[in-house]
Amino acid sequence: AQKVTQAQTEISVVEKEDVTLDCVYETRDTTYYLFWYKQPPSGELVFLIRRNSFDEQNEISGRYSWNFQKSTSSFNFTITASQVVDSAVYFCALSEDNTNAGKSTFGDGTTLTVKP
Amino acid sequence: DVKVTQSSRYLVKRTGEKVFLECVQDMDHENMFWYRQDPGLGLRLIYFSYDVKMKEKGDIPEGYSVSREKKERFSLILESASTNQTSMYLCASSGPGGENTEAFFGQGTRLTVV
Repeated sequence: AQKVTQAQTEISVVEKEDVTLDCVYETRDTTYYLFWYKQPPSGELVFLIRRNSFDEQNEISGRYSWNFQKSTSSFNFTITASQVVDSAVYFCALSEDNTNAGKSTFGDGTTLTVKP
Repeated sequence: DVKVTQSSRYLVKRTGEKVFLECVQDMDHENMFWYRQDPGLGLRLIYFSYDVKMKEKGDIPEGYSVSREKKERFSLILESASTNQTSMYLCASSGPGGENTEAFFGQGTRLTVV
């Protein structure tokens, strides 16, 4: 069975601080996909990134970066120079089904609050 | 702009009522999903559908059913609403896979059963 653990329930930082959201996963499959989604107060989950299990390259997108390490089964997300607009709930998710990636196992989410 | 639209943002229903939550997507996606979101429990999959008239149980299907008569529409049905079904319900859709493997979510329906 697959499992996603986001150990940090809530994080609070001051604007311009860097913050890392942790994600640890469990799966017996060798092929799988990892995702991060953002849920702002409006409620709609927004896709941020997808990684497949064969691509361990780290990725940077503006102030966002992701560190995927298969050796530790982790897929951590770092926001550099955080802003108030980054305040949201962030979900890490795992899918073992390439043709049906909406069928994912989600972590419990990390609520990030960025204070001005 | 791609869209998954849920018919209601907020609903209040009485115990025992039959409740319909509607979801429509305009991306011609084969796959559609209903999740339930509760504090501390993340998102849990209730049902999903990979084609018209097809449905599969997710992790917590008890007390729910679904209907998919058209590709763009996926309905979640609470046959007899109970207070423990008070929750946020999220509909999602996803494409055929490959490069299109992320899910697109609706804005959610916050259901209160009294």
